[in-house]
Formats: sequence, structure tokens, C-alpha cells
Amino acid sequence: GEDVEQSLFLSVREGDSSVINCTYTDSSSTYLYWYKQEPGAGLQLLTYIFSNMDMKQDQRLTVLLNKKDKHLSLRIADTQTGDSAIYFCAETSRGGGADGLTFGKGTHLIIQP
Amino acid sequence: NAGVTQTPKFRVLKTGQSMTLLCAQDMNHEYMYWYRQDPGMGLRLIHYSVGEGTTAKGEVPDGYNVSRLKKQNFLLGLESAAPSQTSVYFCASSYYVERKLFFGSGTQLSVL
Repeated sequence: GEDVEQSLFLSVREGDSSVINCTYTDSSSTYLYWYKQEPGAGLQLLTYIFSNMDMKQDQRLTVLLNKKDKHLSLRIADTQTGDSAIYFCAETSRGGGADGLTFGKGTHLIIQP
Repeated sequence: NAGVTQTPKFRVLKTGQSMTLLCAQDMNHEYMYWYRQDPGMGLRLIHYSVGEGTTAKGEVPDGYNVSRLKKQNFLLGLESAAPSQTSVYFCASSYYVERKLFFGSGTQLSVL
């Protein structure tokens, strides 16, 4: 199966909270990341969490990590039209080697007016 | 501070043609990566480099070659392009410890 899994689409109303979920498989991952990709652009690091943390908050973003269930979530408070993008969950590659990150397929966040 | 710069941004090739994609970073990063992004497939690692003069294969290396002659540059070559290589290619770089990747804006490649 896939190393990192995410649902492909999420639709929310403007002003509501968005919660994007991710499951991963490598329990040895040191860091877990959320990247944002806007149309026609590269990926931009949104936030990351160290594996010994349960939660990290940064302005409108809250990351929750459940290591027991290997579940990571990203909550965006007061979702705005500018948050419309693809969000990728990523973990450090298996074995902690230098071969970058393993990405999920991305969740398309759709904002309804 | 330009970050990670990729050239060209768009390219159309005919089957069998060759080309080189250039990636340059000005952050003095040791690690550099080439990914391809395809609909429904996410990002897949093609090749990577842990320092000047070194390269290694990623998940999908077939049909591609790379070189890292200078620390700031990482080149991706297609010797004989195939339609299956139609994709968006992203270069990224990082420091070793945290492995936070910084991405370029991508190259849209179409092989006809």
C-alpha cells in the first residue's frame, strides 16, 4: 500500500474550519510536514512537526499528531478563498536516509462562498 | 534571494529528442532532488544528490540522468524522450538535518 495516504478532495464553506487528514506508515519518521501548492506553482512548506510533539499551532494553522495511530491532521481556521490549493502531507523517507520526503497524493481544498 | 530556480518553465519535445533541465539554488544547500508530478500520482522522486559530485537513484529513475558538478546546480537529462515522460518536474533542495524541502516553480514538459 501507499506510504502516505490522504483523501483527494475537501470542500468547505468560506469562514469555516478545514481539517485535512493524513495517515503515514513509517513510525521512525523524525518530522512530518504539510506543503501547499497553488495552481501553476511549486510546493511551499506550510508547517512541520517534530515526531515527539502532539500539537503545533501557527496562527490559523493547527497540526495534530497521533503517533499511535500514525495520523496527522492540518486544521485551517477561518478558511479563506486564498486557502484554495492542494495540500500535501509528507514524511521523512523510510530509514531516515537522504532521499528526501515521501509525499501523499495531495488533498484539493475547495472553498465554497 | 532567489531560492530555487528552474529553467525552462515550459518545453515541448518530440519523441526521441533530448533535453536538459537546469536547477539552481542559492541557499548553500547540500541536498538536491528532482521530482515529477503526475495527476493522481502525487510527487515521485527521480534522482537526488547529497553533495557536489554525488548522485543517487530515487523511485522512478529510468530514462533520466543527472549531474551535480557544482554544489548550487543539479541537472536532469532526458536522453531520448518518451510520451510517458510528459509531466511537471520539480527541483528541490534542503539542508541535511531538518530536511525541509524548498521547491522551484516547476517545468511543464510535454513529449509528443
